[in-house]
Amino acid sequence: DAKTTQPNSMESNEEEPVHLPCNHSTISGTDYIHWYRQLPSQGPEYVIHGLTSNVNNRMASLAIAEDRKSSTLILHRATLRDAAVYYCILPSYNQGGKLIFGQGTELSVKP
Amino acid sequence: SQTIHQWPATLVQPVGSPLSLECTVEGTSNPNLYWYRQAAGRGLQLLFYSVGIGQISSEVPQNLSASRPQDRQFILSSKKLLLSDSGFYLCAWSLSGNTIYFGEGSWLTVV
Repeated sequence: DAKTTQPNSMESNEEEPVHLPCNHSTISGTDYIHWYRQLPSQGPEYVIHGLTSNVNNRMASLAIAEDRKSSTLILHRATLRDAAVYYCILPSYNQGGKLIFGQGTELSVKP
Repeated sequence: SQTIHQWPATLVQPVGSPLSLECTVEGTSNPNLYWYRQAAGRGLQLLFYSVGIGQISSEVPQNLSASRPQDRQFILSSKKLLLSDSGFYLCAWSLSGNTIYFGEGSWLTVV
């Protein structure tokens, strides 16, 4: 299985940028990199995904390393509502539909 | 547009009683379907996934089972619940490695 590694927790101050790293050294050429976040007592929600190029949307930016073995989710200005667990996963076409989530990074945002 | 529903939202069951959680998806065909459990507020554990009607793959041996009687219906069951089955259960769907959509979740407390 393609595996991801993330720090257990990170802290940020409100209104400051946050860079959430993810290592995926066993990524295959067809694996997309997806990020989800989970607010307390809710199911995870989609944040962003990419394959090779950096991606931007209204929620965040995704910076993908040239060798694709790591990526960084960037929240440009953290708000208190961004406090959540952030998951980086690699949905794979080659695993018969299996989708494995790691432990994720718990982001705390201080006012 | 696609939607996912799961129910019941909360339930309290005695040890040894049966369980049935139901999940349905609307607005798509032949989705991959998933059941996850989150026992301690972190870590989504994949329990079952299905790539088609009647096709169920189990990730963790336990006293739970899953069935997919129709294309967009996924059911999680148990004949006899254990205390350790308590947790937050999430149904999800995707189309072959694309964005994953989660249901609202079901809180199960076994007493």
